[in-house]
Amino acid sequence: DIQMTQSPSSLSASVGDTVTISCRASRTISRYLSWYQQKPGKAPSLLIYGISNLESGVPSRFSGSASGTDFTLTITSLQPEDFATYYCQQSYDLPRTFGQGTKVQIK
Amino acid sequence: EVQLVESGGGLVKPGGSLRLSCAASGYTFSDHNMNWVRQAPGKGLEWVSFISSSSFIYYADSVKGRFTISRDNAYNSLYLQMNSLTAEDTAVYYCTKEGNSWSLDSWGQGTLVTVSS
Repeated sequence: DIQMTQSPSSLSASVGDTVTISCRASRTISRYLSWYQQKPGKAPSLLIYGISNLESGVPSRFSGSASGTDFTLTITSLQPEDFATYYCQQSYDLPRTFGQGTKVQIK
Repeated sequence: EVQLVESGGGLVKPGGSLRLSCAASGYTFSDHNMNWVRQAPGKGLEWVSFISSSSFIYYADSVKGRFTISRDNAYNSLYLQMNSLTAEDTAVYYCTKEGNSWSLDSWGQGTLVTVSS
């Protein structure tokens, strides 16, 4: 199985900050990496697919990048509605696997 | 607009069974792979099972031999038959559709399964 190691598990930031969340795959997953946002009591929603493609309706302050098997979600100019938990997920192989999640909290 | 609506969750005793359903609308159901994903209370997301558009099936090791995924393209519906349930299966279960790059581009609202005596 492909393991997805996400870090940090939580972070505190202020409105207007830039935050980065990392995710490392245990082996190659090509471009099959997605990022999801989940707010309390709600279903997750897709932010980014294929490493760097924004899902329709997602603000441009969200971006994704990669270097080998290391993937990064960047949120520039953090907004109040961005405080949530973020997950990475690989869809290169079965079983599909998620990272452990990163909770972005208000400082 | 894509809609996924789960049903069938509830309280069940250890060792019991439950069948979850997911009604899909707003897209061509038969063209897309589908997955079940669950989330235990206060925990992260756990992938459970996959069924392709051509009904190839795969399970997480944690549910293999106990859960059965199926789909009925005539009724635009996805199912998860869950047997031999344990407390570790307590979670919100989400029905999800695969889209671009096999990302999970649509999620249902989730249905809560509680396994307790």
